[in-house]
Amino acid sequence: DTGVSQNPRHKITKRGQNVTFRCDPISEHNRLYWYRQTLGQGPEFLTYFQNEAQLEKSRLLSDRFSAERPKGSFSTLEIQRTEQGDSAMYLCASSLAMVGYGYTFGSGTRLTVV
Amino acid sequence: GNSVTQMEGPVTLSEEAFLTINCTYTATGYPSLFWYVQYPGEGLQLLLKATKADDKGSNKGFEATYRKETTSFHLEKGSVQVSDSAVYFCALSLLGGSEKLVFGKGTKLTVNP
Repeated sequence: DTGVSQNPRHKITKRGQNVTFRCDPISEHNRLYWYRQTLGQGPEFLTYFQNEAQLEKSRLLSDRFSAERPKGSFSTLEIQRTEQGDSAMYLCASSLAMVGYGYTFGSGTRLTVV
Repeated sequence: GNSVTQMEGPVTLSEEAFLTINCTYTATGYPSLFWYVQYPGEGLQLLLKATKADDKGSNKGFEATYRKETTSFHLEKGSVQVSDSAVYFCALSLLGGSEKLVFGKGTKLTVNP
């Protein structure tokens, strides 16, 4: 297992376009998280899945954002009608449902909306 | 609410200097505490963790002790190297539920030879 993989690494899109990011977690991890990191800030929680169920969503996740994890494996994060304020690093992490286990993060997808 | 406060950066040290990065937290429950490190161009990596009061997490010469009485989890290293240059994030998660991480803003460390 090569860890958590995110694609693409970089995405430049025009305002108003839709974008989709993919995350492949560590195969035995049943939890998958999405975070957003802007320059000079720590990552902020967006949403998480346990297996295929999306169990929590942050109020940061507006109705333009949607995430899926079909069959409890990989996950996608889609942003519709992108805005310049969506420019950020989108981080995916996976974990086991154990107290204090800690996450394994992917390298992230850097989104730039022009 | 739950929050983490880290000392403001950036921090610049000479090689072999002593490092302390302060971290304090506010939590509505009983948190687990973490330090993550982000090297340039890479994702976050777990550096160390502690899950209960008075636990000491350690890794790669870094240490942090979970102090419930002062709600702190300060990161220390006795002798830093140029390769330690990175951004360090303190974080907490609460027991049960999603165990989502709440991060501090990060502290950028630069170590000069």
